[in-house]
Amino acid sequence: LAKTTQPISMDSYEGQEVNITCSHNNIATNDYITWYQQFPSQGPRFIIQGYKTKVTNEVASLFIPADRKSSTLSLPRVSLSDTAVYYCLVGTRTGFQKLVFGTGTRLLVSP
Amino acid sequence: NAGVTQTPKFRVLKTGQSMTLLCAQDMNHEYMYWYRQDPGMGLRLIHYSVGEGTTAKGEVPDGYNVSRLKKQNFLLGLESAAPSQTSVYFCASSYLQGSETQYFGPGTRLLVL
Repeated sequence: LAKTTQPISMDSYEGQEVNITCSHNNIATNDYITWYQQFPSQGPRFIIQGYKTKVTNEVASLFIPADRKSSTLSLPRVSLSDTAVYYCLVGTRTGFQKLVFGTGTRLLVSP
Repeated sequence: NAGVTQTPKFRVLKTGQSMTLLCAQDMNHEYMYWYRQDPGMGLRLIHYSVGEGTTAKGEVPDGYNVSRLKKQNFLLGLESAAPSQTSVYFCASSYLQGSETQYFGPGTRLLVL
């Protein structure tokens, strides 16, 4: 399983753009990069998934450089409700693989 | 469409007691998972199932048993609860395998005294 490394915590203010970077130096050719969001007292929720370059949805953007050894989750114009823990996971979509949730990045958005 | 539901939401047990946590999903997913989350930590996989009638061990299976008699249900059992099993338990399901999107339930908070 590809190990991931992300910052333990980040602080931001409302309206700012937040970028959370995840390192995954040992990513395999078939691995995808997936980000989950977890609010207190709730289960994690899927945010975005990508394989290379850039992926964008209504919630976030995911930037993946050509070497795929890292990825950046970008949250545009965060609000207080974006305060949560964000997990970066790496895994293949073919063949069962037990996903490993690390400790994630705790994002605190202040007014 | 309720998604993934878990029963109960909260439970207090005494050491040595047994209980079963129920997870149900209405999305016709093949894959189901049980995780535990301790304070300040990420989720750790306890057991998982790749289809009705099948189960497999995850990262931290000791002290737990599971059953998947029906496709929509995944049960987690504690035969003899220990204080170390105090945790929040999350169930999840996914349509495909691997890193396909997992849908999580709201969690069960368990306190073992």
